[in-house]
Amino acid sequence: AQKVTQAQTEISVVEKEDVTLDCVYETRDTTYYLFWYKQPPSGELVFLIRRNSFDEQNEISGRYSWNFQKSTSSFNFTITASQVVDSAVYFCALRYQAGTALIFGKGTTLSVSS
Amino acid sequence: DAGVTQSPTHLIKTRGQQVTLRCSPKSGHDTVSWYQQALGQGPQFIFQYYEEEERQRGNFPDRFSGHQFPNYSSELNVNALLLGDSALYLCASSLEASRSGNTIYFGEGSWLTVV
Repeated sequence: AQKVTQAQTEISVVEKEDVTLDCVYETRDTTYYLFWYKQPPSGELVFLIRRNSFDEQNEISGRYSWNFQKSTSSFNFTITASQVVDSAVYFCALRYQAGTALIFGKGTTLSVSS
Repeated sequence: DAGVTQSPTHLIKTRGQQVTLRCSPKSGHDTVSWYQQALGQGPQFIFQYYEEEERQRGNFPDRFSGHQFPNYSSELNVNALLLGDSALYLCASSLEASRSGNTIYFGEGSWLTVV
C-alpha cells in the first residue's frame, strides 16, 4: 500500500527559529516521486520541490532544505530562520508511478509568530 | 505564463442540486486531475483526464463525473449534492505525455458549500 504520514499536526515557532517538518512514506515501488506543497489560507497548493527516488541528494533552496533518506523512508523539510510569511499548511505527497495520482499526508500546520 | 485557473472561486449549493466546476491547465500541460480537500484533511484524488479520456479514478461515487475538452481544459460535475460534498475542489495540471514523474501544479481551488 502507498501511504504518507505527517505525524506533526501543528507546529508553533517564533520568528528566526529553525523548524523541521517530518514526512514518512510507504511504497513497494522502487521508482517513485516525492513532493512538498505549501497551502496558504487562500487554498492554492504551491509547489515547493519534487524528488525522484533514485536521487538521494539533499537540496537547499534559500531558507528551505530537504533531507531525503531512503533507508528510513523519510523526506523531511527544514525551514531555516522562519518568517511569519512561512505560516501555512505544508503537505508531503507521494507519486508511486509516473502518471498516477498524488497521495497526500494530512498536512502540518506551521504557525510562525513575530 | 498563466498557471492553473479555476472557476468559480466560491459557491453555495443546496442538497440535491448539481454543480459544475471548471479548470484551465497551465500552458503546455496536457493532463488535468481533480482533488477534493475536506476541512483539515489532505487532498484526495477524484480522477484524471488525459487525451479527453478518464485515465484514472479514485474512490469516489459515480455522482462525480468529468470531462476534458480538446484545448485540455476540464470540468468536474457533481450530481445529487450531499452535505458531505462541501470541500475545496482542486484542479491540478501536468505534462504526462513523456510519462515521467513530472511536476504537478495546482490551481487556487473552488470552495463548495452544500447547505
